[in-house]
Amino acid sequence: TQLLEQSPQFLSIQEGENLTVYCNSSSVFSSLQWYRQEPGEGPVLLVTVVTGGEVKKLKRLTFQFGDARKDSSLHITAAQPGDTGLYLCAFHGSGNTGKLIFGQGTTLQVKP
Amino acid sequence: SQTIHQWPATLVQPVGSPLSLECTVEGTSNPNLYWYRQAAGRGLQLLFYSVGIGQISSEVPQNLSASRPQDRQFILSSKKLLLSDSGFYLCAWSSFGILRDTEAFFGQGTRLTVV
Repeated sequence: TQLLEQSPQFLSIQEGENLTVYCNSSSVFSSLQWYRQEPGEGPVLLVTVVTGGEVKKLKRLTFQFGDARKDSSLHITAAQPGDTGLYLCAFHGSGNTGKLIFGQGTTLQVKP
Repeated sequence: SQTIHQWPATLVQPVGSPLSLECTVEGTSNPNLYWYRQAAGRGLQLLFYSVGIGQISSEVPQNLSASRPQDRQFILSSKKLLLSDSGFYLCAWSSFGILRDTEAFFGQGTRLTVV
């Protein structure tokens, strides 16, 4: 069974600090997605990484896919209160089984 | 453009009562459809997914069932709710196909409280 483990589960930092959250698995993935969710709403896709070693940047957010395609990280530079939320990684099952599996998420709180 | 509607937004139901949550998608055809449940501050637990009308895959044995009577309609049901069924339920869709990097789009969720 393919599983995603995210760490840390909870992170509370001051505005302006940098942080990294991780998404790890023992399985190899063809791609991984990162979503962000605000309270009371559904998750929204931030990025999809598909190539081992790939790095994608979205303003102050940097996403990296591990060389072996088993893990991914999200680094936020100079965090702002607006970055507060739940960050989730996810993968689609092989073929078109239809499965979309999420990790347990990292709750980020950025204090002003 | 595609949109997804999920209702109701909040629901308070007594233990033992039935449940029906509905989700509809507009602007696309033959989508993959999903039902997730989320505990507070935690990840999404996949409950059911469907790749076509009448095709339902269950991920977790439980007190719930799902149906897809129409291409863009996905219903989550229960005959008798348990206290443990409380949670935040999310419906989502993604494009059908072999591409595994398609984006999933979520509804606004239903906050279910079983009392």
